Amino acid sequence: DGGITQSPKYLFRKEGQNVTLSCEQNLNHDAMYWYRQDPGQGLRLIYYSQIVNDFQKGDIAEGYSVSREKKESFPLTVTSAQKNPTAFYLCASSIRTGGVNTEAFFGQGTRLTVV
Amino acid sequence: QKEVEQNSGPLSVPEGAIASLNCTYSDRGSQSFFWYRQYSGKSPELIMFIYSNGDKEDGRFTAQLNKASQYVSLLIRDSQPSDSATYLCAVTRSNFGNEKLTFGTGTRLTIIP
Repeated sequence: DGGITQSPKYLFRKEGQNVTLSCEQNLNHDAMYWYRQDPGQGLRLIYYSQIVNDFQKGDIAEGYSVSREKKESFPLTVTSAQKNPTAFYLCASSIRTGGVNTEAFFGQGTRLTVV
Repeated sequence: QKEVEQNSGPLSVPEGAIASLNCTYSDRGSQSFFWYRQYSGKSPELIMFIYSNGDKEDGRFTAQLNKASQYVSLLIRDSQPSDSATYLCAVTRSNFGNEKLTFGTGTRLTIIP
């Protein structure tokens, strides 16, 4: 089945640790996105990527890093520089048609908690 | 000014009535507009998308776009309790050849039986 897979579903991080959230899609989508959602809030864009080996900072990139070495993979690293990382993290992807990115589809999310 | 703005609600609508959700955006160059529904603790799912001015209907849902007023709305007819969720408006705009997909903060909708 085609889709977007995020892992793990739940992740616990100790203070000062780096952790990496996985996002894999087998939809052959061009664009991929990472968002952060805090309780009662909307989605804030962390990073996005249009093509392999290229990505752009979103609105809240500080304390995060990404890579796009393969079209199907867009992992997010939450570094120790991110002081308040506890949140729900969502990965999405979309295909480009006629020069426009179409609707984005989401993975099931990773809930990260600092302990 | 936020790129995408929504009334956070909560919006309460009686069952069977029409729910009207509104969204404004700041960038006139925005190209594509989406409505997502999100149930508590779940990831967003696409309800509607619209690219051109006017109305687009899909079952009980109608999306309306007015680019001159930078306004997009979602109407839900014959509201059902299962429509109770947070509705997120999203807008795509080009950023030096890369398309940025930005969300509003969402409107929480409650359908009252």
